[in-house]
Amino acid sequence: AQKITQTQPGMFVQEKEAVTLDCTYDTSDPSYGLFWYKQPSSGEMIFLIYQGSYDQQNATEGRYSLNFQKARKSANLVISASQLGDSAMYFCAMREGLWNRDDKIIFGKGTRLHILP
Amino acid sequence: DSGVTQTPKHLITATGQRVTLRCSPRSGDLSVYWYQQSLDQGLQFLIHYYNGEERAKGNILERFSAQQFPDLHSELNLSSLELGDSALYFCASSVRQVSGVWSGYTFGSGTRLTVV
Repeated sequence: AQKITQTQPGMFVQEKEAVTLDCTYDTSDPSYGLFWYKQPSSGEMIFLIYQGSYDQQNATEGRYSLNFQKARKSANLVISASQLGDSAMYFCAMREGLWNRDDKIIFGKGTRLHILP
Repeated sequence: DSGVTQTPKHLITATGQRVTLRCSPRSGDLSVYWYQQSLDQGLQFLIHYYNGEERAKGNILERFSAQQFPDLHSELNLSSLELGDSALYFCASSVRQVSGVWSGYTFGSGTRLTVV
C-alpha cells in the first residue's frame, strides 16, 4: 500500500490565486514528520515546509502553509498568492519514527503545478 | 547552495559499465541518504548511512553498493549498468540538534546518469 498519496498529477492555476496541493499519508507510528519539497525544471529538491506529528499548530513558512489534519491523515500544502516561479513539481514526503536510528523519507509521486499568467 | 555537494552533475556511460557517484554532506551532518529518481518510479530511497554505518536500506539493487568514509563523504557505486538505471541520483544529509531534535533533510543538486 502506498504510504504517501498525491491524487493530483497536474494542476493549472491562475497567477495570484491560492493553491492547495493534496497529500494523504498512511502510518501506524505515532511519531512522524511530514514534508513538502519543490522540484523546479532545473531538478534540484528544495525544502519548503515541515510538520511534526506532535506539533499543535499548522506549519507556516512565508507563502507556504501546511494544512495538517491528523485524524484524516492529511497534509495539504497551501500556497498563497501564487507566482509564475511556483511552477514546478511538488512532492509530499513522510518520515516515520522520528527517534528511530534507521530513518528514511518516503515520497509521493508528486503534483506538477503550472501557474498561468 | 544547499551545502550538499554531488559530483559529477552529469554522467553518460554505456550498458555494462560501472560508475561511482560522490556526495559530500553539509558541514556537521553525519547522515547521508541516497535516492534514485526515475520517470516511472518517482523518488525511491536507496540507502542511509550515519557516521560510516549503514542504517537503513531501501530498494537498492544488488548491482548497487554504497559506503560512507571517515571524512563523511559517501560514494554510490553502480555496476553492470542497464538502460533502466538512467535516472537522477540524489543524496541528502540531515543533522540532529544537541537537543535530539532532528532538523530536516537537505538535498544535493543530483547526478543525472544516462546509460546508452
